[in-house]
Amino acid sequence: GENVEQHPSTLSVQEGDSAVIKCTYSDSASNYFPWYKQELGKGPQLIIDIRSNVGEKKDQRIAVTLNKTAKHFSLHITETQPEDSAVYFCAANRPGNKLTFGGGTRVLVKP
Amino acid sequence: GAGVSQSPSNKVTEKGKDVELRCDPISGHTALYWYRQRLGQGLEFLIYFQGNSAPDKSGLPSDRFSAERTGESVSTLTIQRTQQEDSAVYLCASSSSGSRSDEQFFGPGTRLTVL
Repeated sequence: GENVEQHPSTLSVQEGDSAVIKCTYSDSASNYFPWYKQELGKGPQLIIDIRSNVGEKKDQRIAVTLNKTAKHFSLHITETQPEDSAVYFCAANRPGNKLTFGGGTRVLVKP
Repeated sequence: GAGVSQSPSNKVTEKGKDVELRCDPISGHTALYWYRQRLGQGLEFLIYFQGNSAPDKSGLPSDRFSAERTGESVSTLTIQRTQQEDSAVYLCASSSSGSRSDEQFFGPGTRLTVL
């Protein structure tokens, strides 16, 4: 079945710096890759997603890149702010309309 | 309209007792998912409902876990004879059609503590 690896598990950055989180997946049939942000005590919330027919997508300070050949995708957050502090999860879809999630990255933005 | 809601928000139970967790999906969403999230870990798929199709139970960890869904509405996740390792946050999500690239909307979760 699908396996999604996410790195790093924790990431501490200075406010204003960039943060990058990387994920790899195993199922070449996966074609949808969402990223979720989870704040303390809340459920995950979709922040950006990318489909396999594009290599990059950007939404304000957030961008995601996808390399289908290498089976990896990354989340880039620029000009980080304290409110970006949260746990971020990548995911990849698999047969049966399901998502497989990475283990999560705890991001801390230091003011 | 309202998002996905779950109840209770917190549940503390004694080992060996049964618990029932409830999920109210977004109105009109045909797909519903249950996940388990252990402390500091990622989301672990448990079960998936799509319309009137037979549910995909491939993620249920043991026969102590079961779930039901009434039509395209409320779902309940039942854990029988709870064990300490069942302690986790149980998250419910719904999506509009359950296609492979539909956004899943998550509820706030139920934090289950088994003493």
